[in-house]
Parts: sequence; structure tokens; C-alpha cells
Amino acid sequence: DVKVTQSSRYLVKRTGEKVFLECVQDMDHENMFWYRQDPGLGLRLIYFSYDVKMKEKGDIPEGYSVSREKKERFSLILESASTNQTSMYLCASSFPDSDYNEQFFGPGTRLTVL
Amino acid sequence: RKEVEQDPGPFNVPEGATVAFNCTYSNSASQSFFWYRQDCRKEPKLLMSVYSSGNEDGRFTAQLNRASQYISLLIRDSKLSDSATYLCVVKEYDKVIFGPGTSLSVIP
Repeated sequence: DVKVTQSSRYLVKRTGEKVFLECVQDMDHENMFWYRQDPGLGLRLIYFSYDVKMKEKGDIPEGYSVSREKKERFSLILESASTNQTSMYLCASSFPDSDYNEQFFGPGTRLTVL
Repeated sequence: RKEVEQDPGPFNVPEGATVAFNCTYSNSASQSFFWYRQDCRKEPKLLMSVYSSGNEDGRFTAQLNRASQYISLLIRDSKLSDSATYLCVVKEYDKVIFGPGTSLSVIP
């Protein structure tokens, strides 16, 4: 059974803290993604990676960074958390781009920044 | 104009009803189209791809109208288990764009 796992389901942090969100997939996918999901806005792409040590900015990269040292692991980093980063964070993975481009999602991390 | 737009709903329908969702996209160069389903407090999962000729999977029918730039999803004989948010997804070259989703509640 394919699987994308995320390190935490719920996380509460304080403003200014450094936050690490971890994502691991076991499907040998080249592509990995980080999204945030907010009511009425849908999923918005923060960063994605199409190979180890490669990263590309998505639509809303400000305030975030990522790391991909191993193929199966993609980390999202909030250098200095702010209240407007309170959100649901979803990681996804997929095979390289093709017409059939199913993304497999992790269960999400609900982050609250106080 | 947003890249992918959907009526947020909620759509509240009785069991057995037929319900249709529409989704519009702004980029005429969009290449591929999908519907994902997201249950409450769960992750999105692929429901079906949308082909130019239209396609059907059991009670679900997806259609694409490139001229008008919209995609539709029809659910026949609604079940309680169909209650979820349905996300329209559009792929432009290497960019995948998710719509905000339409919420469906099927009522006994």
C-alpha cells in the first residue's frame, strides 16, 4: 500500500520559533510537494522538488524553506513562525510529470502558531 | 480571475439524488484535468481523470468542455458515503493547480 507519512498530525508553536515539518514517502517518487490548505483558498503550493537536492518555489514560498537530502524525505522549514502561517500543511509525492499525474498525499499537519 | 474556480457549496442533497459540480479554468493551454475527493479531516485522493471525450466510472461521470473552459462532475444515485469535498485539478505543463473545492453533504 502506497504511503506518504508526515511527522505530526497536530503542532502548536509560538511566534518566532523555528518549525520543521517532515514528510516521507515509500513509493520511490521523484517529485515531492508541500502545500498549505486554508478555507476558501484551496491548496496552495509552497515548494516542490523533482529530485534529491533540487527545489523549486511554488506560489507562496515566502517565509518557508525546504530540504531534500534523500529521495524519500522532503522537509518544510518555517525559519521564524508567524501567526499567518497557522494552517493545514499537506505533503504529496508523484512520479515525474506525465499526462497522468496523480499526487499521493500525506495525512496533513495542522499547525497552530500562537 | 482565479486560475481554477468552483462553487464552494455546500450542496445538500438527499440520498439517491443526482448532483452536478462545475469547475472553470482560466488558462486555455491547460492540458490535463482531474477530480480529487477529500473527506473531512483527511487528505485529498484522486477520484478520476477527465478525458476530452468524457468518461464514466460507475455512478460518476466527468466531462470536459475546452471551448468554454469548464469541467463537470456528475454523481448519480448519491450515497451517504459520497459526502466529501470535491476538488477540481488542472495541469498546465508542469504546474498543477487545485481548485478550492465544492462541499457535498448527502442526507438520509
